[in-house]
Amino acid sequence: EPEVTQTPSHQVTQMGQEVILRCVPISNHLYFYWYRQILGQKVEFLVSFYNNEISEKSEIFDDQFSVERPDGSNFTLKIRSTKLEDSAMYFCASSESRGGQPQHFGDGTRLSIL
Amino acid sequence: QKEVEQDPGPLSVPEGAIVSLNCTYSNSAFQYFMWYRQYSRKGPELLMYTYSSGNKEDGRFTAQVDKSSKYISLFIRDSQPSDSATYLCAMVAGTYKYIFGTGTRLKVLA
Repeated sequence: EPEVTQTPSHQVTQMGQEVILRCVPISNHLYFYWYRQILGQKVEFLVSFYNNEISEKSEIFDDQFSVERPDGSNFTLKIRSTKLEDSAMYFCASSESRGGQPQHFGDGTRLSIL
Repeated sequence: QKEVEQDPGPLSVPEGAIVSLNCTYSNSAFQYFMWYRQYSRKGPELLMYTYSSGNKEDGRFTAQVDKSSKYISLFIRDSQPSDSATYLCAMVAGTYKYIFGTGTRLKVLA
């Protein structure tokens, strides 16, 4: 069964450094998403991406965050200057279309900021 | 009032029991309702998705939506130790942003 893959599984970074999290969505999916889950808290929406542009973003997704689809298969989340509070699990998801079509999630990247 | 509320548990049941997991919500614009299972250090795995009120069955799992009461349920029949995980409800109002519950931690005892 096709799946969303994320790399790396664990990223340790010094505060203030830039980090890029990578995702390969399911190949025939057109909509891509990033969510985060701080330890012990619920999964929270960050951003959705379609047709090479952001379609929706949350208040968490400020100027320090950016997303990109650099080629036909990868989808990335960049955090420009990491803060301690960015430590979380980051999940990538994809879907065939928006709304009613279900989003399929990867296993996440655990980001630890020191 | 939180947009989506879910009892965090933990919920412990003996193997073979019927498990009932629930979420309530406040936003009447939600149209699609999902249940995900999340094992430790893994991503959410889609179990069920439903549109509007009614029941949907898939194997041992039944999802139920009652829009008039703003209440959704997931039933697991003949529960197995391998069902031990955190179960997340999620909802969407037709855009892109899923709103998740906090998750209910389930433990099925052999």
